[in-house]
Amino acid sequence: GENVEQHPSTLSVQEGDSAVIKCTYSDSASNYFPWYKQELGKGPQLIIDIRSNVGEKKDQRIAVTLNKTAKHFSLHITETQPEDSAVYFCAASIPSGYSTLTFGKGTMLLVSP
Amino acid sequence: EAQVTQNPRYLITVTGKKLTVTCSQNMNHEYMSWYRQDPGLGLRQIYYSMNVEVTDKGDVPEGYKVSRKEKRNFPLILESPSPNQTSLYFCASSADRGAYEQYFGPGTRLTVT
Repeated sequence: GENVEQHPSTLSVQEGDSAVIKCTYSDSASNYFPWYKQELGKGPQLIIDIRSNVGEKKDQRIAVTLNKTAKHFSLHITETQPEDSAVYFCAASIPSGYSTLTFGKGTMLLVSP
Repeated sequence: EAQVTQNPRYLITVTGKKLTVTCSQNMNHEYMSWYRQDPGLGLRQIYYSMNVEVTDKGDVPEGYKVSRKEKRNFPLILESPSPNQTSLYFCASSADRGAYEQYFGPGTRLTVT
């Protein structure tokens, strides 16, 4: 099955700095890569996703890049704000059979004012 | 409002006492699943359901049961809970498996003593 590795496990930045979280996946058949944000006491919520037919996607301060050859994808947050502090999960999905999402172990992002 | 609800939100129980965590979604989603979240291990899928009366095992199904008798409901059953099932549980639903946004419930914090 699919295996998703996520780094770093914790990340501390100053407000206004950029933050980058990286994930690698094992199965080259994976074609969907979402990122979820989990705030304290809440369930994860989708913030951005990318499919394998594109290399980059942006949504305001958030961007995701995908390198299919190297089998890795990254989340970029620019101009970080304290409300960006949360746990972020990457995931990958294989489009075959009863495909499901495989999640990374998560990154705790702390943005200090 | 589109949402996934779980009950109870918090539960403390003793080893061996059967319990059920309910999950309900109001989005007419076909696909529902249960995850557990443990420190350092991320989100791991327990069971999923493609539709009414169709369920299958995820990555960590041992000790759990599910049923899908109605499209909107997907209860998680622990027939004989053990301390290693102490965890944070999330129910999720989506329009389909794989490459679709998953909507998570608020979580159920379970402690088994």
